[in-house]
Parts: sequence; structure tokens; C-alpha cells
Amino acid sequence: NAGVTQTPKFQVLKTGQSMTLQCAQDMNHEYMSWYRQDPGMGLRLIHYSVGAGITDQGEVPNGYNVSRSTTEDFPLRLLSAAPSQTSVYFCASSRGTGRAEAFFGQGTRLTVV
Amino acid sequence: AQTVTQSQPEMSVQEAETVTLSCTYDTSESDYYLFWYKQPPSRQMILVIRQEAYKQQNATENRFSVNFQKAAKSFSLKISDSQLGDAAMYFCAYSRYSGAGSYQLTFGKGTKLSVIP
Repeated sequence: NAGVTQTPKFQVLKTGQSMTLQCAQDMNHEYMSWYRQDPGMGLRLIHYSVGAGITDQGEVPNGYNVSRSTTEDFPLRLLSAAPSQTSVYFCASSRGTGRAEAFFGQGTRLTVV
Repeated sequence: AQTVTQSQPEMSVQEAETVTLSCTYDTSESDYYLFWYKQPPSRQMILVIRQEAYKQQNATENRFSVNFQKAAKSFSLKISDSQLGDAAMYFCAYSRYSGAGSYQLTFGKGTKLSVIP
């Protein structure tokens, strides 16, 4: 009964480094998304996907890249990390209907120094 | 763009008392959904309650209930008989159709609730 699994839980990067945050879900959900959470800002949508092979930008997409090759996986890539990307990142999945509950991973706390 | 406003950054309540968290939203849509999510210190996001805009009846889940005022675009959360485990950050969220058969969630900035023993 894994739900949404995010790895890693914590990460420290140097400015300019790249990395990939992993997200996997085992509920066969079509809709997956990435959010970042900053103090006093709530959760803001970075990118989302409505199914394998289909992705789109959210509210704050700059500096991030995504792909969706399978229904289960939705990795988030930081191309060249900047201190402004220090945040807690959440992956979520849902059935994609209006009333559907979003299931979240445990989050990744990323610090860019 | 749709916005969700939570005007109370922090609130506190005595254990066993009742507290109401406020949320307003801005939309021109007639069909949408509203949610309250809870985030305890563990960081895990947990659905508390949801409301369909087409339903006039306010949603209730055990000690949690909402006051949904569609015309006023208001969606407050009432927690009755508050417990220590209710201490968390609470996020109001709005779900709207975003095309291609999908819906997007927009979150408010959150209200941090403390429960005083």
C-alpha cells in the first residue's frame, strides 16, 4: 500500500548542479503533478501531467523539466540549481476528476547552497 | 487567474473547543470543487473534507464541517471538540477544469493551527 513515493527525502545541492527528484505512484492514476512549498506561500504548481507522454506547465515552471514515459513515474529535473529553488517539493497523483482526492508523497526538502 | 485567500496565518484553540478557519476564493466558474487539506509536522498532506460547488448542503466529516457560501465565495472549516492531534497547517484548495480532461488544484497560503492543552 505504497501510494506516492518520493525520493530522496532530503538533498543539498551546490549552485549550478543538476538533479532529479523521483516520484512513483502505484494507484494507476492518470494525473500527476509537482508542487513546491515555501514559507508563507502555500503550495504552487510547477508542472503536471494528464497521462503518459503528456505534460504541461503550472504556475512556476522555470528552471524545472519533467517527462512522463509511464503512468507510474513522473520525475522532476532541476537543470541548474539556484538558491531560489531551495524549497520543499511535493509530488501528487489523482484520478484527475474535479472531486478526486490528491494523494501526496512525503516531500523532498531541497537546499541549494 | 483563480486565487484562494486564507486571511489567518496563525490561529490557536483550547483543547475541546471549537475553531473556524476562513477561506475565500475568486472564480468565474460555476462548476468547481473545494477542499481542506491538513499538513501536520510530519509534512504529510491529508485530505480533511471536500465540497462540490453544485451541492447546497455543507459537507461534514466527523468533527470537521464546512460553511460553504457560494455567492460570497467563502469556504470556512469548523473543527469541533479540538484535539491535540489537530495541530497542523491547514490549506484551503480550489479545483477547476484545466482542459484535456484534467483538473488543477490551487492552494491558499495556509493557516497554522495550534491546540492549547
